[in-house]
Amino acid sequence: NAGVMQNPRHLVRRRGQEARLRCSPMKGHSHVYWYRQLPEEGLKFMVYLQKENIIDESGMPKERFSAEFPKEGPSILRIQQVVRGDSAAYFCASSPGSGNTIYFGEGSWLTVV
Amino acid sequence: RKEVEQDPGPFNVPEGATVAFNCTYSNSASQSFFWYRQDCRKEPKLLMSVYSSGNEDGRFTAQLNRASQYISLLIRDSKLSDSATYLCVVTSNFNKFYFGSGTKLNVKP
Repeated sequence: NAGVMQNPRHLVRRRGQEARLRCSPMKGHSHVYWYRQLPEEGLKFMVYLQKENIIDESGMPKERFSAEFPKEGPSILRIQQVVRGDSAAYFCASSPGSGNTIYFGEGSWLTVV
Repeated sequence: RKEVEQDPGPFNVPEGATVAFNCTYSNSASQSFFWYRQDCRKEPKLLMSVYSSGNEDGRFTAQLNRASQYISLLIRDSKLSDSATYLCVVTSNFNKFYFGSGTKLNVKP
């Protein structure tokens, strides 16, 4: 029973390029969360999605960032026109429903050069 | 005010010591409480849930004080492998998980 799968694990982008991070939740989980962790800092909530719906995006920067969780396929976190400050670890987590514990993927490390 | 606050540490303790962390939360309507552990450059992993009656899992004991809005984690007989960052997590409305910034523990031989 595979856990939360994220890819790529490591991604290097030049300033101005786009980054796409993918997350496949655990089998049976329909709730997906994205968190960002800057070096030496804590986890910051970005967005909470269910299939085809964004439930809470209060942690998403207003520009350049978007997320989706389509009916088929993984959840995608998209960062357009990346800047150096976007360099961070991006963790995806999933749960089977509200009120349940969330389980994390191994993270995607984005480096913007 | 942050939803969840923790002392960042680090707590430097010798092997075999007992160490305790506290965490405070701001929303009195918070519903679920957890401790996660995060190793350097790894994902957070669930350590234990925290119940009002308190709960124990081996060397780890978690307590919740709703009146004072704090959660504690006690680690007895510390091992080198306990060295990590411990994250306090609180949920509200059953769907938003708030993470503290973590408390770093270094267990020394």
